[in-house]
Amino acid sequence: NTVMTQSPTSMFISVGDRVTMNCKASQNVGTNVDWYQQKTGQSPKLLIYGASNRYTGVPDRFTGSGSGTDFTLTISNMQAEDLAVYYCLQYNYNPFTFGSGTKLEIK
Amino acid sequence: QVTLKESGPGMLQPSKTLSLTCSFSGFSLSTSGMVVSWIRQPSGKSLEWLAAIDWDGDKYYNPSLKSRLTVSKDTSNTQVFLKITSVDIADTATYYCARRRVYYGYWYFDFWGPGTMVTVSS
Repeated sequence: NTVMTQSPTSMFISVGDRVTMNCKASQNVGTNVDWYQQKTGQSPKLLIYGASNRYTGVPDRFTGSGSGTDFTLTISNMQAEDLAVYYCLQYNYNPFTFGSGTKLEIK
Repeated sequence: QVTLKESGPGMLQPSKTLSLTCSFSGFSLSTSGMVVSWIRQPSGKSLEWLAAIDWDGDKYYNPSLKSRLTVSKDTSNTQVFLKITSVDIADTATYYCARRRVYYGYWYFDFWGPGTMVTVSS
């Protein structure tokens, strides 16, 4: 299976911070990576598809980048409503595999 | 408006067969490019993709679980089903169904159900 290694596991941040989190694939997945946001008690929500395309209605403070094996999700100007766990997903190979998540917490 | 909702038994005993239903509206699974997938999440852990069925009736499975999984859909294309045989405690999780679709060559899960919790316990 393609392992998606996310880092860091958690981050303590303040409102207004710039946040960067990473996802590393164990093999080349091209740009077949999505990012999902999951708030406590909710189902995941799509943020970024195809590594760098912002989904409809997602604020422009969310930016995805990367290709091959290294991917990044950046949140500029962190807002309180962005507190959540963020997961990357690769869909280049069967089975699709998710990262272990990066949890954003208030400092 | 697209909605999906999962339903299941809530609790079942080890070695039994788990049957889950995903009821959806706002789209047709017979439309080209539409897929419904099953994904699960143990409490406090990450997500695991399990299986999918597409508009053509083609089925896709996670190889590590394939021998235990069966995905199907109803003829009206408004429900998708997942059966998992020989469950054990490790199958305790919240089970989600999600719509996957293609958009200008990009695939993504754009709508998810709220999930249904399944506990395997004797």
